[in-house]
Amino acid sequence: GAGVSQSPRYKVAKRGQDVALRCDPISGHVSLFWYQQALGQGPEFLTYFQNEAQLDKSGLPSDRFFAERPEGSVSTLKIQRTQQEDSAVYLCASSLGRRQTESYGYTFGSGTRLTVV
Amino acid sequence: EDQVTQSPEALRLQEGESSSLNCSYTVSGLRGLFWYRQDPGKGPEFLFTLYSAGEEKEKERLKATLTKKESFLHITAPKPEDSATYLCAVRTQGGSEKLVFGKGTKLTVNP
Repeated sequence: GAGVSQSPRYKVAKRGQDVALRCDPISGHVSLFWYQQALGQGPEFLTYFQNEAQLDKSGLPSDRFFAERPEGSVSTLKIQRTQQEDSAVYLCASSLGRRQTESYGYTFGSGTRLTVV
Repeated sequence: EDQVTQSPEALRLQEGESSSLNCSYTVSGLRGLFWYRQDPGKGPEFLFTLYSAGEEKEKERLKATLTKKESFLHITAPKPEDSATYLCAVRTQGGSEKLVFGKGTKLTVNP
């Protein structure tokens, strides 16, 4: 597709429920990033993939958060046993690689708004 | 710890009233400073990357500048469609491709 696609756009989960958020990056994009954006805040880094390899997961807040990109394209962010503090917009971004990022930044999706009740 | 601070948090302008947004940063080694625009309900949209002190980039009514400690986003004769949240982010040395974002400046331009 022309842009980064994320689904679902909105998700309401009961506390303790597991959720899975999907990201379809732009075709051919090597780098894929997940960010978490709380209301009124800037995005915070969660994790980064280059193809299928997860190169940096230093931003994942706890072991309840898990991300994968098994074939180097679609990525899934999974949150187990959701808590109220997990409520946020989860943004996915992709780029062709480091050189494109340097010149053109990432392309972000519109995000998934997760509300834990 | 790498930090990015943006000011003001919110700015209200009249159409045609020029102003500047500030982004100050404390990082271990800068590998790029990025400006993004974010509209409500959307992901951030890339505007500029700056790499070295003294560098400037322009796009329509926007001009970004960089010093060793801060960056400015100058908005000349803004229009209502320039209303958005403007985010500043840095990429630092250490090999990671991650960006560290500030909290943003919410700009409102009234007709």
